[in-house]
Amino acid sequence: AQKITQTQPGMFVQEKEAVTLDCTYDTSDPSYGLFWYKQPSSGEMIFLIYQGSYDQQNATEGRYSLNFQKARKSANLVISASQLGDSAMYFCAMREGPGRRALTFGSGTRLQVQP
Amino acid sequence: DSGVTQTPKHLITATGQRVTLRCSPRSGDLSVYWYQQSLDQGLQFLIQYYNGEERAKGNILERFSAQQFPDLHSELNLSSLELGDSALYFCASSFRRGTSGSDTQYFGPGTRLTVL
Repeated sequence: AQKITQTQPGMFVQEKEAVTLDCTYDTSDPSYGLFWYKQPSSGEMIFLIYQGSYDQQNATEGRYSLNFQKARKSANLVISASQLGDSAMYFCAMREGPGRRALTFGSGTRLQVQP
Repeated sequence: DSGVTQTPKHLITATGQRVTLRCSPRSGDLSVYWYQQSLDQGLQFLIQYYNGEERAKGNILERFSAQQFPDLHSELNLSSLELGDSALYFCASSFRRGTSGSDTQYFGPGTRLTVL
């Protein structure tokens, strides 16, 4: 079974609107971390946001928030007030177990922000 | 800028050759991870080093090897290269001594390897 599933290969959003990128995960480990990364066309991987399995509140970082629904095993990324510079690939990733472990990545969602 | 550096940025070589990719982690980070990003297999974990010692292995081929040096920089060696090894190779680092929490991995800019 896929550990991380991103079901939206591509998404379009109008500038200044909000968009939700879906991510579901599969693990039996009670301790895990969920991450979102952005990969612009230039290729670098940029860390956006983190949610720990024991965190009680949804993570937020500026215009990014993570809609964490533990029972449903989903960790959707919400980008508010989209900007043209948000056009990129977005990857959801999971670390199973406590820190200092490798990440498993989803297949990514390509987001295009339209003016 | 993540603080992780990788050299070279681009590498073009022929099948059968051997190359070395270099990574310098963020200052103070003890863990280094290598990932491969290819069109057909996505982002895959290759190998992890922690403070000079191999910590975990992923889908790393026997033709590939890595090491982490006392100054914490790391090298990924790829030998007997095949066309299918063409990919973007990322190094990531994490875990500064004395910190706790997310252990976020910060990625370098990557080395794009093209095997002709």
